[in-house]
Amino acid sequence: SQKIEQNSEALNIQEGKTATLTCNYTNYSPAYLQWYRQDPGRGPVFLLLIRENEKEKRKERLKVTFDTTLKQSLFHITASQPADSATYLCALDDYGQNFVFGPGTRLSVLP
Amino acid sequence: EAGVAQSPRYKIIEKRQSVAFWCNPISGHATLYWYQQILGQGPKLLIQFQNNGVVDDSQLPKDRFSAERLKGVDSTLKIQPAKLEDSAVYLCASSYTGELFFGEGSRLTVL
Repeated sequence: SQKIEQNSEALNIQEGKTATLTCNYTNYSPAYLQWYRQDPGRGPVFLLLIRENEKEKRKERLKVTFDTTLKQSLFHITASQPADSATYLCALDDYGQNFVFGPGTRLSVLP
Repeated sequence: EAGVAQSPRYKIIEKRQSVAFWCNPISGHATLYWYQQILGQGPKLLIQFQNNGVVDDSQLPKDRFSAERLKGVDSTLKIQPAKLEDSAVYLCASSYTGELFFGEGSRLTVL
């Protein structure tokens, strides 16, 4: 069955540093990989989508890479701020179907 | 643009009782998803609709859960009878071009 792992349950970093979150998957050949942010008590919010034929995508301080050979995505937040503290979820989908979420990584950016 | 609306936000019931959750997606979004999110875990897909047809309900516990999407717009998720392990947040999401837009969720506590 499809399985998604995210590098750790929790990640603590110092303000201003780059946070790097990892998403690994097995038994899946997704068309897209997406990253979402979820704050406590709220629904997930879409951040970035990267297609299987794309290597890298950027949006402001966010960067996502997608390696279909390694079956891995890396999510980077540069110049991190305390306001970036949240849980980050990766999700895989196959053209809108088989939409599967990972367990999430809880990021804490310390001032 | 109005977001995904869900109600109720909170519900407390005793086991073996029934409960229903309602979702109104973003106007024009053909795809609607219901997810179950247990504390500390990523969202788990229960059912996916395309307009008013079911695309995927493979993980829906059909002996107690049911869902419908009338006229391809609003949707209702019902649990009857509820079990203790159904305590979770039930998230509704809609989609048009790939990324999911989530509601704030309905938090269910089964005592």
